[in-house]
Amino acid sequence: EVQLVESGGGLAKPGGSLRLSCAASGFTFSGYSMNWVRQAPGKGLEWVSSISSSGSYIYYADSLKGRFTISRDNAKNSLYLQMNSLRAEDTAVYYCARVRSSRENYVDAFDIWGQGTMVTVSS
Amino acid sequence: DIQMTQSPSTLSASVGDRVTITCRASQSISSWLAWYQQKPGKAPKLLIYKASSLESGVPSRFSGSGSGTEFTLTISSLQPDDFATYYCQEYNGYPLTFGGGTKVEIK
Repeated sequence: EVQLVESGGGLAKPGGSLRLSCAASGFTFSGYSMNWVRQAPGKGLEWVSSISSSGSYIYYADSLKGRFTISRDNAKNSLYLQMNSLRAEDTAVYYCARVRSSRENYVDAFDIWGQGTMVTVSS
Repeated sequence: DIQMTQSPSTLSASVGDRVTITCRASQSISSWLAWYQQKPGKAPKLLIYKASSLESGVPSRFSGSGSGTEFTLTISSLQPDDFATYYCQEYNGYPLTFGGGTKVEIK
């Protein structure tokens, strides 16, 4: 079964850090670009970051201003999001998602999503 | 950056109704548009990609159309399982953008 499972969410203080993980199974992880998408409570979806299958190409939402770092370990079938200098407005469910096409650095719709992990930033 | 505007934000409909949701892009995105369905507490589910291609396993009552800047998602006969929030997303290039969502409610 194709599956993505996020972990690492929780409560963090403003200015603090968290590292999210996304474990992939059921498909050739190294062949797909991966993404993080977040959803603040009661709000819509917001794209956060993308990384190509090899990890060579990385993109971020402008709003993050260098605070987040996406990475992947293809040997471990895992995607990561290092979040630093956290703010209250980063409070959201964070989803990892796979793109449909297995081509390096190819932009496509997101066909597989994890269940999400909740990040709460509060003092 | 491309802005995506969905309308309406809320839609009240009955089972069996034909439902249409519109998504407008601030600049041309060719056919690089996807539609997702999201139910409360769940992850989004891909319905339509490349504006009009039906994702595998999605019922044929869902259809998408449009190109350039104006797109529509149509549900031909609304079923009880279709009451949810729908999002469009453009993937013409980075940064990627989602529409604000359309909540389909029971009338």
